[in-house]
Amino acid sequence: EAQVTQNPRYLITVTGKKLTVTCSQNMNHEYMSWYRQDPGLGLRQIYYSMNVEVTDKGDVPEGYKVSRKEKRNFPLILESPSPNQTSLYFCASSFEGLRGGKLFFGSGTQLSVL
Amino acid sequence: GDSVTQMEGPVTLSEEAFLTINCTYTATGYPSLFWYVQYPGEGLQLLLKATKADDKGSNKGFEATYRKETTSFHLEKGSVQVSDSAVYFCALSGGSQGNLIFGKGTKLSVKP
Repeated sequence: EAQVTQNPRYLITVTGKKLTVTCSQNMNHEYMSWYRQDPGLGLRQIYYSMNVEVTDKGDVPEGYKVSRKEKRNFPLILESPSPNQTSLYFCASSFEGLRGGKLFFGSGTQLSVL
Repeated sequence: GDSVTQMEGPVTLSEEAFLTINCTYTATGYPSLFWYVQYPGEGLQLLLKATKADDKGSNKGFEATYRKETTSFHLEKGSVQVSDSAVYFCALSGGSQGNLIFGKGTKLSVKP
């Protein structure tokens, strides 16, 4: 089944404790992206990757890191999480290119930083 | 920069009512336009899209027409069902890389 898989689904952590949210897609998509969703703010892009070893900042990259060593994986790293990073995070991927294609989203990771 | 503005919710309707969710955009060039839907506890999924002016996207009884003259892409459905309860996001492909820019979302609740 074609899908984008994120783990974990829920995560509670404390300020400053490094964490990684994994994202994997099995559709051979070149484009992958991370978003955060906050009430009243909608979805905001954190980072995106057009292909392996190519990553770029989105609208809200501060406090996050990503890597794209393999086509299928695009982990999101929070080196020193802070409470303002409490949010619902989505990974997404696309093959056709965004102008005509569509994004496939994972089921989300609800992160709470205490 | 490019942006999307959609009507604030929540919107509450009775089953079989007519639905309109307004969406307007600001963009340079000729973006593609999308409506995504997020059902409770799930990620977003593409509902419909339009890639050029006057195109009409349609899916599952929902429709939206790309209106360049009014920079709008309003979502409509003639008769909503309880199962349509979800959050709806309007989006456009913008910027040099064509990244999706989302509106803030409109929550729809349909009562039986």
